[in-house]
Amino acid sequence: QKEVEQNSGPLSVPEGAIASLNCTYSDRGSQSFFWYRQYSGKSPELIMFIYSNGDKEDGRFTAQLNKASQYVSLLIRDSQPSDSATYLCAGGGTSYGKLTFGQGTILTVHP
Amino acid sequence: DGGITQSPKYLFRKEGQNVTLSCEQNLNHDAMYWYRQDPGQGLRLIYYSQIVNDFQKGDIAEGYSVSREKKESFPLTVTSAQKNPTAFYLCASRPGTGGNYGYTFGSGTRLTVV
Repeated sequence: QKEVEQNSGPLSVPEGAIASLNCTYSDRGSQSFFWYRQYSGKSPELIMFIYSNGDKEDGRFTAQLNKASQYVSLLIRDSQPSDSATYLCAGGGTSYGKLTFGQGTILTVHP
Repeated sequence: DGGITQSPKYLFRKEGQNVTLSCEQNLNHDAMYWYRQDPGQGLRLIYYSQIVNDFQKGDIAEGYSVSREKKESFPLTVTSAQKNPTAFYLCASRPGTGGNYGYTFGSGTRLTVV
């Protein structure tokens, strides 16, 4: 069973703090990883993708990938209440472009 | 503006009834996907299609059917064989099946059995 597992939530952080979201995957054939943000009742929106080992930064977001450890993470710096949402980690290989999603982590940023 | 349109936004199904969820995209994407989302369970793949007139079963295809007669359209039918259809249904597309492309999602259809 090819799986993507996200760290148990929910996660609550104060405004201005760093939120750390983690994800592990079992399929070593997975080549690309994506982080989606989903507000309650809405569809997911892509916020980051990464396919090379190391860090990738975009504004307040940093994605990290460690293929040896099969580990992906998302750091949100200077967290804002508007970051409160469910964050979905997804991994994909070459099989028809299918993505396998984790169960999501609920993040709450409190003022 | 390019995007994916799902309709209706809310749908109510009676016992024993088949219902069809619409998904239309004007992004010129080749690949399209249907996912189901239940609370606390993330997204599970129902069906996917790489090209017109071709589609494959995903992880939870039982009780569902699809067609891909046009590149732009990938409707999903929830049949009476699907015993627990209440869920949030998401349609997605990407330019192709290779490369490092993420999905573009539609706004979803929330289906409820009444």
